[in-house]
Amino acid sequence: DAGVTQSPTHLIKTRGQQVTLRCSPKSGHDTVSWYQQALGQGPQFIFQYYEEEERQRGNFPDRFSGHQFPNYSSELNVNALLLGDSALYLCASSLDQTSGNTIYFGEGSWLTVV
Amino acid sequence: AQTVTQSQPEMSVQEAETVTLSCTYDTSENNYYLFWYKQPPSRQMILVIRQEAYKQQNATENRFSVNFQKAAKSFSLKISDSQLGDTAMYFCAFEYGNKLVFGAGTILRVKS
Repeated sequence: DAGVTQSPTHLIKTRGQQVTLRCSPKSGHDTVSWYQQALGQGPQFIFQYYEEEERQRGNFPDRFSGHQFPNYSSELNVNALLLGDSALYLCASSLDQTSGNTIYFGEGSWLTVV
Repeated sequence: AQTVTQSQPEMSVQEAETVTLSCTYDTSENNYYLFWYKQPPSRQMILVIRQEAYKQQNATENRFSVNFQKAAKSFSLKISDSQLGDTAMYFCAFEYGNKLVFGAGTILRVKS
């Protein structure tokens, strides 16, 4: 049973560019969330997708957008990259939006903006 | 808004001894869930233990147990018989509506 998988593992982008990160949820999971973890800090919630719609959003600007596909996989897009966007981006999946369901994380995508 | 505070940036413990990591949180919700996650150098976030707020009994998973004090909004993690493999960053997290709010983390180093 494959867990949460993310790609790419590492990438380097230049300020002003755009980036797309990808996530496949754990088998059977239909809810995908994205978190940003800056170095030395705890993860911060970006947004959550369920039934191909954004259901919840954290305190992140509109430069951060996402998408969920019919197979439940998801993409995180960041436009007009800033140096401060450098972080580990974690994808998490769970079975529906019910509170208390175990949330599983992928290994993350390391984004460096130079 | 929910907040989670971990007041210990770093902790160390000798192998086979017991260590307790502290966590406090703030919320106006009554039914919620609390978690401890472990993040080793590989960066994979691993669930250690979960606690349901409506259950008074403290959760236990093998060498890991919690002391959940709902009135005080406190949720500490006790690791017994510490092992070298327990070395990692530990995050306390509050969950409501399938969204996690994390603390800043505590780095735990287990020494041989």
